Amino acid sequence: AQKVTQAQTEISVVEKEDVTLDCVYETRDTTYYLFWYKQPPSGELVFLIRRNSFDEQNEISGRYSWNFQKSTSSFNFTITASQVVDSAVYFCALSDVPGAQKLVFGQGTRLTINP
Amino acid sequence: DTGVSQDPRHKITKRGQNVTFRCDPISEHNRLYWYRQTLGQGPEFLTYFQNEAQLEKSRLLSDRFSAERPKGSFSTLEIQRTEQGDSAMYLCASSVTGGVYEQYFGPGTRLTVT
Repeated sequence: AQKVTQAQTEISVVEKEDVTLDCVYETRDTTYYLFWYKQPPSGELVFLIRRNSFDEQNEISGRYSWNFQKSTSSFNFTITASQVVDSAVYFCALSDVPGAQKLVFGQGTRLTINP
Repeated sequence: DTGVSQDPRHKITKRGQNVTFRCDPISEHNRLYWYRQTLGQGPEFLTYFQNEAQLEKSRLLSDRFSAERPKGSFSTLEIQRTEQGDSAMYLCASSVTGGVYEQYFGPGTRLTVT
C-alpha cells in the first residue's frame, strides 16, 4: 500500500529564515508521481509541484525548491527567505500510475511564519 | 479562468438527514475526484470519475454515500442518513487525462452533522 509520512506536524520560524518540510513516501510501484500542495487559511488546496519517479533533478521556483531522493524515498520542500504569506498547511502526496491516479496525502505540516 | 466550484460551501444538518453536494469541475477536465478531509488530517480519496463513468470507490465510501456524474460534467455526492462521523470537509478535484497530471481542487463543502 502507498503511504506518505510528514513527520513534522508543526513548524514555526521567524520571517526570512529558511525552512525545510520533510516528506517520506512508501510505494511498491516503480512508476509514480509526487506532489506538494499548499492549503492556506482560506482552505483551498493549491498545487505547487509535480514530479515523476524517473526525474530526480532538484527543482527551484523562486523561493521554493524541492529535493527528490529515490534512495531515501524522500521529497523534501524548502522555502528560502520565508515570508508571512507562506504560512499555511503543506501536504505532500503520492499518485499511483496507472489507475485512478488518486492522491495519497500525508498528514500535512502546519507552517507558521512569524513577523 | 474558472476553477473548480463547489456548492454549498457550508452545510449544517441533523443526524439522520440526507445531504447532497455539487461539484463543477474545470470545463475541459474529464477526470473528477471526491476526497474527504477531517480536522488535522490530509484529504482521503473517496471516488473517481472519468467522464460519466465511476471507475473507483474507496472502502471509506459506505453504502450511505453515492456519487454521480450524469453527463460527464458536474458531479453530485449524496450522503443518506447522516451520522456525526460524517462531519468533515468534502473536496472535489479535477484533472485532464492523457497522463498523470495535477489535480485542481475546489474550495470544499464543510459538513457539520449535529
